[in-house]
Amino acid sequence: GAGVSQSPSNKVTEKGKDVELRCDPISGHTALYWYRQSLGQGLEFLIYFQGNSAPDKSGLPSDRFSAERTGGSVSTLTIQRTQQEDSAVYLCASSLVSEFGEKLFFGSGTQLSVL
Amino acid sequence: GQQLNQSPQSMFIQEGEDVSMNCTSSSIFNTWLWYKQEPGEGPVLLIALYKAGELTSNGRLTAQFGITRKDSFLNISASIPSDVGIYFCAGPILTGGGNKLTFGTGTQLKVEL
Repeated sequence: GAGVSQSPSNKVTEKGKDVELRCDPISGHTALYWYRQSLGQGLEFLIYFQGNSAPDKSGLPSDRFSAERTGGSVSTLTIQRTQQEDSAVYLCASSLVSEFGEKLFFGSGTQLSVL
Repeated sequence: GQQLNQSPQSMFIQEGEDVSMNCTSSSIFNTWLWYKQEPGEGPVLLIALYKAGELTSNGRLTAQFGITRKDSFLNISASIPSDVGIYFCAGPILTGGGNKLTFGTGTQLKVEL
């Protein structure tokens, strides 16, 4: 399809392991966001990529979290030495900025469970 | 940091009732977006507002861009069970890297048959 694709849709891991979450944005979208959402909670901003600008990493909760966006397209969110409190849904979104403003389109998320 | 406050936090209403929720910011926004999130899915864009005072409809949904540019309202008329979900407002915050969309705290809507 033409939407934002995230993989895997579900990930179960053991405490202390590293995980990689992938996001394929909509083709041509210049901006890409990662958010985290705990059960029943709002969207917690993690990191933002816009074109060739330096990413806004202000939302990353610790240095165990990092993200890359290669070639201005696919992005990978890496969590090292996972902890139980990292369990959440990780949502990726991409956007197209036009003269009318910016509209974000979300993927279905990756449900991460840390045992 | 900048926050968008939504109210009410949650609502439990009867099918057929009209629903109203709002979003406020301490800063002026040039754009307001309203999203709906259903269980197990990412948020989906419902309505986008680009001009102060603008009133835009999408089926039974109507949203307004407040005149002060610091608030926005979303109304749902004649609610039905499939309106259940979490409704988020969003607006752009200017950062060093450009405009970054920031989301409100969400309003959870539950509809009783």
